[in-house]
Amino acid sequence: KNQVEQSPQSLIILEGKNCTLQCNYTVSPFSNLRWYKQDTGRGPVSLTIMTFSENTKSNGRYTATLDADTKQSSLHITASQLSDSASYICVVSESNYQLIWGAGTKLIIKP
Amino acid sequence: DTGVSQDPRHKITKRGQNVTFRCDPISEHNRLYWYRQTLGQGPEFLTYFQNEAQLEKSRLLSDRFSAERPKGSFSTLEIQHTEQGDSAMYLCASSHPGLAGVVNEQFFGPGTRLTVL
Repeated sequence: KNQVEQSPQSLIILEGKNCTLQCNYTVSPFSNLRWYKQDTGRGPVSLTIMTFSENTKSNGRYTATLDADTKQSSLHITASQLSDSASYICVVSESNYQLIWGAGTKLIIKP
Repeated sequence: DTGVSQDPRHKITKRGQNVTFRCDPISEHNRLYWYRQTLGQGPEFLTYFQNEAQLEKSRLLSDRFSAERPKGSFSTLEIQHTEQGDSAMYLCASSHPGLAGVVNEQFFGPGTRLTVL
């Protein structure tokens, strides 16, 4: 069964600290892996999209990694800011429209 | 604002009533998607249009749910005889297929939060 699992379920860190969120998947065939940021009560916003051949991609203070052999991805946030408080969702695509969504990691940044 | 818009943002209804939501995609996007999201979960795919054609429907889309995109632009999602279990955030997204082999990014609207009493 195609699944995307994320850990931790929630995370609290102090402003300015770094953190890493994990994503494991069993989706096959694999097309691409995406990380979305979702603020409470808002729609998800894309942070990164990686295909099979890419193993790292950055977007400002966000850096995503992909190991297609072990079917793992991580999202590293550097120098966290209060505005980073949100849910971060890992999404794996079988095709260009069928997305398998993880449940997300709820990140809280405290001053 | 040239992003995806949804209307209404919030809807409270009584069990058994019908509700209709609207989504306006980004103007040059020919693909449109509907998702449902419950608290603490990721979005669940409901259905997908390419232009006016509904190409895929999830098993989650029961007979009480119907989606249309009559002119290939805006879309509506109607839920008939609402149940308390329908309470969720309904998200719409749009994308442009782009070139073959290129990943198409989905852009999401702000969602419509439905509460069924």
